[in-house]
Amino acid sequence: GQNIDQPTEMTATEGAIVQINCTYQTSGFNGLFWYQQHAGEAPTFLSYNVLDGLEEKGRFSSFLSRSKGYSYLLLKELQMKDSASYLCAVRERYGNKLVFGAGTILRVKS
Amino acid sequence: DVKVTQSSRYLVKRTGEKVFLECVQDMDHENMFWYRQDPGLGLRLIYFSYDVKMKEKGDIPEGYSVSREKKERFSLILESASTNQTSMYLCASSLMEVNYGYTFGSGTRLTVV
Repeated sequence: GQNIDQPTEMTATEGAIVQINCTYQTSGFNGLFWYQQHAGEAPTFLSYNVLDGLEEKGRFSSFLSRSKGYSYLLLKELQMKDSASYLCAVRERYGNKLVFGAGTILRVKS
Repeated sequence: DVKVTQSSRYLVKRTGEKVFLECVQDMDHENMFWYRQDPGLGLRLIYFSYDVKMKEKGDIPEGYSVSREKKERFSLILESASTNQTSMYLCASSLMEVNYGYTFGSGTRLTVV
């Protein structure tokens, strides 16, 4: 099975940088996903890491360390529209199931 | 644009009713999934399917069943709705190789009274 931990809530200021951490304990691992979910909407895919290191995509970057069971999502130049829940999800070794953390609510203030 | 469409945005049902939640995707995805989302618990997998007429239990299948008669459609059935099944239900689909992640529907907010 999988256990995925991420902070419940974070607050940051417009224009700043914020890092959302995710730790996981797993008996098997085949990739880690980050999703963004605005209130009342469907989660949308942000990033996928399967190898160690940093993946950059515009203002968003995601990092993975498999040996530490750790990932983070880095959001730069925060905008008000970045206020949302951010979901960390781990893909099991076999099959295509994703196991999700409870999500981190990010509030961006002006 | 990949679209996953859930038939109802909001539903209110009575305890003991049989409830059908429908999900249709238009991108020929092999995999389809049903999750429920509750505050503080995140998304929990109910059932999933890798192919037509194929289904597998997720982490919380009790009280639910599913049907996949056609590749594009995956139905979630609550055999006898109970108040603890009040939740947001999210359907998702993906290619067999899931590196591109899931595409989610907009969700169905089910209230059982």
